[in-house]
Amino acid sequence: DGGITQSPKYLFRKEGQNVTLSCEQNLNHDAMYWYRQDPGQGLRLIYYSQIVNDFQKGDIAEGYSVSREKKESFPLTVTSAQKNPTAFYLCASSRYLAGGNLDFGPGTRLTVT
Amino acid sequence: AQKVTQAQTEISVVEKEDVTLDCVYETRDTTYYLFWYKQPPSGELVFLIRRNSFDEQNEISGRYSWNFQKSTSSFNFTITASQVVDSAVYFCALSVLPSISNTGNQFYFGTGTSLTVIP
Repeated sequence: DGGITQSPKYLFRKEGQNVTLSCEQNLNHDAMYWYRQDPGQGLRLIYYSQIVNDFQKGDIAEGYSVSREKKESFPLTVTSAQKNPTAFYLCASSRYLAGGNLDFGPGTRLTVT
Repeated sequence: AQKVTQAQTEISVVEKEDVTLDCVYETRDTTYYLFWYKQPPSGELVFLIRRNSFDEQNEISGRYSWNFQKSTSSFNFTITASQVVDSAVYFCALSVLPSISNTGNQFYFGTGTSLTVIP
């Protein structure tokens, strides 16, 4: 079955550590996105990528980094520079065409203490 | 600028009642797409429907129906005879074509409406 996988579902880290969240899709989608979700604030775009080896910052990119070395993979690193990293992180993908909907992964809940 | 407003933060209804979730959008683009997603307690967002700006025909899918009105910039979602399994957070989203090539579709989400269906 085609879909998006994110691992792990729950992640715990100590403050000051970088952590990488994985996102893999086998939908052959060109575009991939990372969103952050906090209670009551909906989804906020962190980074997105339309093609391999290219990505753009979203609304809240500070303290995050990404790479897109393969079409299927779009890992997100939460660095120690991110002030409030505890959140629910959602990866999504979409076909590169007008009106394509987003397909979402199951999400990773990151807790930093 | 694009914006999606879901003014209803939380709604509670008793099972079998009908409920309408409101969505108001803002955009100056003439070509755009509107979406509804459901986020159950498990967290994964599930795609429900897509509408393009040239198709104002309302749609019904089982107990779900959508009312798209360009005159009021609204894309409301009605659940008929609600069930406990409908309890979730529902997001309305807007997508517009990129203004710069190679930047792809841009999606704008509302803040979501949390629906609780009480048995």
